[in-house]
Amino acid sequence: DAEITQSPRHKITETGRQVTLACHQTWNHNNMFWYRQDLGHGLRLIHYSYGVQDTNKGEVSDGYSVSRSNTEDLPLTLESAASSQTSVYFCASSESGALETQYFGPGTRLLVL
Amino acid sequence: AQKVTQAQTEISVVEKEDVTLDCVYETRDTTYYLFWYKQPPSGELVFLIRRNSFDEQNEISGRYSWNFQKSTSSFNFTITASQVVDSAVYFCALSEGDYGGSQGNLIFGKGTKLSVKP
Repeated sequence: DAEITQSPRHKITETGRQVTLACHQTWNHNNMFWYRQDLGHGLRLIHYSYGVQDTNKGEVSDGYSVSRSNTEDLPLTLESAASSQTSVYFCASSESGALETQYFGPGTRLLVL
Repeated sequence: AQKVTQAQTEISVVEKEDVTLDCVYETRDTTYYLFWYKQPPSGELVFLIRRNSFDEQNEISGRYSWNFQKSTSSFNFTITASQVVDSAVYFCALSEGDYGGSQGNLIFGKGTKLSVKP
């Protein structure tokens, strides 16, 4: 069955380190998204991509970057991890075009010490 | 600016009670979609329903029903005869159309935590 996976599921890192969170989907969806979930804020969009080589900043993109070299993967990189980036990160994908349903991965819990 | 408000932060009910979760949205788009997602204690986000801005018919799926009213910019979610397994955080979300070039991006409300006690 087609699916969307995230790895690692849990990560502990230290302030200042570079961290990369992986997202892989097998639906062949062109659209992919990264969100972070924090208490009191719901889910907020970090970065998104509408296809290979396309990346765009979302609401809370500072300190994060993404790259899209193929359809299946959208890795999220924290350039220099900060304690404020402790959060649960969700990846999502959807078919091309506006207004399509987004399907979410299982999430990655990141703790920055 | 687009915005989604879920005024109820937490709701607690006893099993078999009916419960309605409120969602109010703001948008300048004429074409948009509204969504509900469920996040059980295990943490994953589960898609429940999508409704487009041109379809105001209510939807029923088993014990779940949704009431979409453009006149009040609301998309409320009712669970009939609630069960313990319905305990979760429920998110309402709005998807923009082509306005501003951010097609399909979801704007989430902050969620309503529903606790159903036996």
